Amino acid sequence: GDSVTQMEGPVTLSEEAFLTINCTYTATGYPSLFWYVQYPGEGLQLLLKATKADDKGSNKGFEATYRKETTSFHLEKGSVQVSDSAVYFCALKSRGYQKVTFGTGTKLQVIP
Amino acid sequence: DVKVTQSSRYLVKRTGEKVFLECVQDMDHENMFWYRQDPGLGLRLIYFSYDVKMKEKGDIPEGYSVSREKKERFSLILESASTNQTSMYLCASQSQGAMTDTQYFGPGTRLTVL
Repeated sequence: GDSVTQMEGPVTLSEEAFLTINCTYTATGYPSLFWYVQYPGEGLQLLLKATKADDKGSNKGFEATYRKETTSFHLEKGSVQVSDSAVYFCALKSRGYQKVTFGTGTKLQVIP
Repeated sequence: DVKVTQSSRYLVKRTGEKVFLECVQDMDHENMFWYRQDPGLGLRLIYFSYDVKMKEKGDIPEGYSVSREKKERFSLILESASTNQTSMYLCASQSQGAMTDTQYFGPGTRLTVL
């Protein structure tokens, strides 16, 4: 079945540091890939997504590229801010299915 | 602006009580989902519904049931609450369109069962 593996946290970075959160997946066919973010006390919200190989999703300075050959969708940001402190979830949805499979989440803490 | 609301942010119940968690969306979405979120386990799907009165079991349906009598409302029911159901419960909705696969989440209900 479908599965998502993402790096364990927490990840602690200083403001303006470079961020990478690794995500790899297992799926049949060609899934859509997502990063969701959960700020403290809130539900999840979509950060970015990519629907086919080599697509790059981007939003709020975050980027992730759909790599079919390595089955990966790593999240990156060049310069993190304190306001980026949150839990980040990698997820996939296989075509023709309504369910989304989530990773376990990576907590990011950015310190001034 | 899209909106998914959940009936309570915090709830405390006793073992054996029947518990209702309500979720309402205003986006006319066909699909609705109930997840529970636990540290180290991420989000696990309990049940989902793709139409009024239709439901499908997710990965962890034991101890739960659901009801969808109207398109905008999806209820999660704990028939007899137990302490291992203490968790954060998240509701989400999603359109069935082929190119609209984003899920929209409510703020969550933190349930404590004593």
